[in-house]
Formats: sequence, C-alpha cells, structure tokens
Amino acid sequence: GDSVTQMEGPVTLSEEAFLTINCTYTATGYPSLFWYVQYPGEGLQLLLKATKADDKGSNKGFEATYRKETTSFHLEKGSVQVSDSAVYFCARSNSGGSNYKLTFGKGTLLTVNP
Amino acid sequence: NAGVTQTPKFQVLKTGQSMTLQCAQDMNHEYMSWYRQDPGMGLRLIHYSVGAGITDQGEVPNGYNVSRSTTEDFPLRLLSAAPSQTSVYFCASSREGSRSNQPQHFGDGTRLSIL
Repeated sequence: GDSVTQMEGPVTLSEEAFLTINCTYTATGYPSLFWYVQYPGEGLQLLLKATKADDKGSNKGFEATYRKETTSFHLEKGSVQVSDSAVYFCARSNSGGSNYKLTFGKGTLLTVNP
Repeated sequence: NAGVTQTPKFQVLKTGQSMTLQCAQDMNHEYMSWYRQDPGMGLRLIHYSVGAGITDQGEVPNGYNVSRSTTEDFPLRLLSAAPSQTSVYFCASSREGSRSNQPQHFGDGTRLSIL
C-alpha cells in the first residue's frame, strides 16, 4: 500500500545552518507530494507541494523536488531560523491523486537554537 | 474566515463513555477527513467524506462513527471510549480538485484522554 518514510528526529540545528529532512514514498500510482508543518499547540499547515515528477515546491525559503527516479521528496532550507522550530510531516496523496486521503510520515521534530 | 473549527479543544473521558468531536468548516469544501495523531505514528486517517451523505473508512476506523448531513459539518463519534483512543484528533477539509492541487486545511485539534 501507500506509505511514506521520513527521517527520524529529533533534529537540532543552530540558527543559519542548512537543513535537510529526507522523505521517500512508495511508487504506486501518480501521487502528489506535500510537506506540512505543525507549530506547538497548533494544527498542520501546508508548507509546500508538488504534483508531478520534477516539480519543485517552495515556500518561506523551504524547497523540495519531486524525484520519481529515487521516489524522494527531501525538504531543504539554506538558512534556518529559530521560528522554524516545529514538527515537519511529509505526505502523499493516494495512488489516484485524490487529495482527501493523505498518507503521512511519522514526523520530524526540528529545534533551532539561537 | 474561521476555516476549520474543532470543538472541544480538550476532553477527558472515562472508559465506556461516549462523546462526539465536532468539526465545522466555512469554506464550502467538498472533502472532509478525520485523522488521529499519536507519538511516533504520524497522522492516520480514520474516516473521510467526499460530500454530504457520503462517508468511507480510512486506515483506522474501528471504534469511530461519522456522518455528513451537511457540507459544513463532519462530527466524529466515539460510542464506547477505550484507553487506546487517547490521542490528538484533527479534522481537515479540502476543495475537490484534480491532481491534488487543492491542499487540505486542518483544524487546531482535539486532545482526548480516556481514563
């Protein structure tokens, strides 16, 4: 079935460091891929998305590229800030591309220290 | 615009009690879903609905019922609460769209403890 595997946390970085959070997905169907962010005590917010191979999603300095050949969608940011501290979830839509059935990774806790 | 509103925010129940988690959205979204979030497990889909009068099971539906009588509301019912249902519950909604161009919007969650 559909699944998403993302890098185990927690990840602790200093401000202005480079961030990578790895995410791979099962290659069934033609899924869309997402990164969601959850700040403490809040619900999930969409950070970025990509709907087909080679698409690059970007938002707030974060980027991720849909790599079909490696079934990956790694999240990157060149210079993290303290305000980026949150839990990050990689997700895929179901095999048919429908967006009402998302499969999530287990989440990666990021802590950025000043 | 309120978006997705979940009530209550916190609840403590005793084993065997019943309750309904409320979810309402004011964006006229066709799709609505319920997820539970457990430590180390990510979010898992409980039930979903693609429109009023239509519901279906997700990955972990046992112990939960849903109904969708209106576009706006999608309540989640626990008929007989069990400690294994202690979790954080999130409701989400999205507009129908091709190729998943429409993102899911999440509520702030309901933190439920079953004693």
